[in-house]
Amino acid sequence: AQTVTQSQPEMSVQEAETVTLSCTYDTSESDYYLFWYKQPPSRQMILVIRQEAYKQQNATENRFSVNFQKAAKSFSLKISDSQLGDAAMYFCAYRSRNSGGSNYKLTFGKGTLLTVNP
Amino acid sequence: DVKVTQSSRYLVKRTGEKVFLECVQDMDHENMFWYRQDPGLGLRLIYFSYDVKMKEKGDIPEGYSVSREKKERFSLILESASTNQTSMYLCASRLHGRSTDTQYFGPGTRLTVL
Repeated sequence: AQTVTQSQPEMSVQEAETVTLSCTYDTSESDYYLFWYKQPPSRQMILVIRQEAYKQQNATENRFSVNFQKAAKSFSLKISDSQLGDAAMYFCAYRSRNSGGSNYKLTFGKGTLLTVNP
Repeated sequence: DVKVTQSSRYLVKRTGEKVFLECVQDMDHENMFWYRQDPGLGLRLIYFSYDVKMKEKGDIPEGYSVSREKKERFSLILESASTNQTSMYLCASRLHGRSTDTQYFGPGTRLTVL
């Protein structure tokens, strides 16, 4: 079974600075997807960024980028120029790409609560 | 934009009551999911449905059942609510067959069982 580990329960960053959230995962599969989701306080969970394991290039979405290290099974999220609106719980998630029931489900980490200080 | 709605944001029930949590999506998605979210545990999958009338157990199905009679609606049922089912419940949907598609989440229902 796959597992996702977020070792930082809480992080904080000063507005306009850069912060990196860590995520490691364990899987025996070679083909999968990784995601970062953001859950602002009392608001809906939304997708921040996703990475396909077969792509070597790290995904980027505006101020959000990932450092995907497949051999090390590491998938960190970097937030540049942090803004007050980035304050949220961030979840790392894994999904298999293999056929069968397992490719429907997301396996989530326990989350990292990010505080942005003005 | 995909819209996933849940019938209640907050719900308070008593131990032993039968509880229905409703989820509706408006984008014709085949796949729908129910998670519970607890502090320090992240999100855990309860049940999912890959199409109408189809359902599969997730990681923590005990004490729950589901119903998917129509494509847009996925209901989570607590047959006899217990205090350890106090939690935030999140529904999600996803378009089947497009492997890169993400799950879209509803706003959540915070259930308290007294």
